Amino acid sequence: NAGVTQTPKFQVLKTGQSMTLQCAQDMNHEYMSWYRQDPGMGLRLIHYSVGAGITDQGEVPNGYNVSRSTTEDFPLRLLSAAPSQTSVYFCASINRDQTQYFGPGTRLLVL
Amino acid sequence: GQSLEQPSEVTAVEGAIVQINCTYQTSGFYGLSWYQQHDGGAPTFLSYNGLDGLEETGRFSSFLSRSDSYGYLLLQELQMKDSASYFCAVYSGYSTLTFGKGTMLLVSP
Repeated sequence: NAGVTQTPKFQVLKTGQSMTLQCAQDMNHEYMSWYRQDPGMGLRLIHYSVGAGITDQGEVPNGYNVSRSTTEDFPLRLLSAAPSQTSVYFCASINRDQTQYFGPGTRLLVL
Repeated sequence: GQSLEQPSEVTAVEGAIVQINCTYQTSGFYGLSWYQQHDGGAPTFLSYNGLDGLEETGRFSSFLSRSDSYGYLLLQELQMKDSASYFCAVYSGYSTLTFGKGTMLLVSP
């Protein structure tokens, strides 16, 4: 039981490049979320999903897309990277008791 | 909108008791959670209060007063390994959490 896994761990992009951050969970949770964490800002919700085929926007969705084709996977796509998207990205999966299980994070630097 | 206030930093010594307060203003409220994050690591779940009162889990306890829009995390018998950031987070539906900015706890010998 791996819990929540994220790839890559680190990534450097140039402005304008696109990429996909991968997230997978093996706990059969319906609910999954993506957060970004910036110094002094706590974690801010980007997008979330309440089940396969259903996604919605969080607090800071601009510049990001998500899809949920399976229960296990919830990838986050950066369409055209900007320096303001330099951050640490955490994916989380949520159980019925509202406990969020976070992945190890992806550290992204956009130059 | 949602807003949560918690102290930015708290210091304490090993063996002591420390309380981290959290006040919130939200448009929807189902419960208050607490998460711990060590430097460079992922947040990990500590507790959840859906109802008023105290929840105890080992050395950690969490309290909620919905009428006061207030909660706290109480850490007893502090250990060096408790040095970390602690976040309160409001659950406002559809399993979405709004996090506070975090409290850095520094435990000294």
